Amino acid sequence: SQQGEEDPQALSIQEGENATMNCSYKTSINNLQWYRQNSGRGLVHLILIRSNEREKHSGRLRVTLDTSKKSSSLLITASRAADTASYFCATLGASGSRLTFGEGTQLTVNP
Amino acid sequence: DAGITQSPRHKVTETGTPVTLRCHQTENHRYMYWYRQDPGHGLRLIHYSYGVKDTDKGEVSDGYSVSRSKTEDFLLTLESATSSQTSVYFCAATPGLASSTDTQYFGPGTRLTVL
Repeated sequence: SQQGEEDPQALSIQEGENATMNCSYKTSINNLQWYRQNSGRGLVHLILIRSNEREKHSGRLRVTLDTSKKSSSLLITASRAADTASYFCATLGASGSRLTFGEGTQLTVNP
Repeated sequence: DAGITQSPRHKVTETGTPVTLRCHQTENHRYMYWYRQDPGHGLRLIHYSYGVKDTDKGEVSDGYSVSRSKTEDFLLTLESATSSQTSVYFCAATPGLASSTDTQYFGPGTRLTVL
């Protein structure tokens, strides 16, 4: 079964608004990563947060990790139409060497 | 994309025929992966490689085999294609020795249709 589960499955917002996507997982992790996929393209890595970190920033991206709740959130601030894509969380298990991906959140940013 | 290419990009084949997909990387990454992406399932790992001639199974390996005779090439073979293997296939690679902490770089994908 999938380790990471994103919520919501789909999100539609207006340009300039913030977008928040959530990821829940089931077992202990080494790290959690977020990826973006534009339609018809491969996945692109956005940000990685390790299990001993609680928050990370990268440009307009903010990721939080709550290991007690086994959840993470990805916040995109001041969204742009170009942010329209699918966003996936992926977890690396504490004893594993492979990533497990969730099913993704489809984000649509309307101009 | 860290110099990762996949070929072919699109393929239509018939049930029962063998199919080989190729992944080529130019960055000398040690670890390489094959995933399939289907609606409602996200990305699922088929096989991965941790070095030349060193491979292991992922969660959906039945019906697939892989080979890695050179660092830069990772081949995925469907021995006898079935309609359930219609999917988009992605190759990925991880730099360095510590694959467990490195991010993955993805190729552009191969869309395979099995009739």
